[in-house]
Amino acid sequence: GAVVSQHPSWVICKSGTSVKIECRSLDFQATTMFWYRQFPKQSLMLMATSNEGSKATYEQGVEKDKFLINHASLTLSTLTVTSAHPEDSSFYICSARDRIGGETQYFGPGTRLLVL
Amino acid sequence: AQSVTQPDIHITVSEGASLELRCNYSYGATPYLFWYVQSPGQGLQLLLKYFSGDTLVQGIKGFEAEFKRSQSSFNLRKPSVHWSDAAEYFCAVGGSSNDYKLSFGAGTTVTVRA
Repeated sequence: GAVVSQHPSWVICKSGTSVKIECRSLDFQATTMFWYRQFPKQSLMLMATSNEGSKATYEQGVEKDKFLINHASLTLSTLTVTSAHPEDSSFYICSARDRIGGETQYFGPGTRLLVL
Repeated sequence: AQSVTQPDIHITVSEGASLELRCNYSYGATPYLFWYVQSPGQGLQLLLKYFSGDTLVQGIKGFEAEFKRSQSSFNLRKPSVHWSDAAEYFCAVGGSSNDYKLSFGAGTTVTVRA
């Protein structure tokens, strides 16, 4: 149980294009999903909190117009990196909290983004 | 404010030896504490968690952790390490007072030598 998937697992794009990453909770409903960014050999940095049916809340320093988050249903949240640049290259990981008894975050496998 | 300190950046241990990873936290209310493991290029897998009750918690893969409120610690242990335990380990703290957002430590890389 408590499986979270991400798609795609790898994406390479040209500078200036937009990239969408999907995060799905496969066997539970997620009231809240979180988006993290991880640089090589570093810890996870929370970017934003995504709540179903409402606007995402972004951490300080994260550009909300750059990283668009949509939580369309209780099982799907998307992160769109708009007008991507090489400095946006990173490992993006999502997590989801179960709607019932949701103290625990379950993590997806991550998406590696490379912007050329 | 909440934060986590993992003092050890890298630990090397022989296969079959015991392992202990240190974690100290700062949290203003009752903390929820977690240990996650990450293999290269992968997401995070939950090893164990502590919310309340018995301060010694058992997790998957033979891991256990002990919550010590007086020391603000939540150290992870395994009696006998296997080569497959080589990975990055993250301690995290969160709670209801901050919408269950997690703060992660910097991580400890575990290398297992034969």
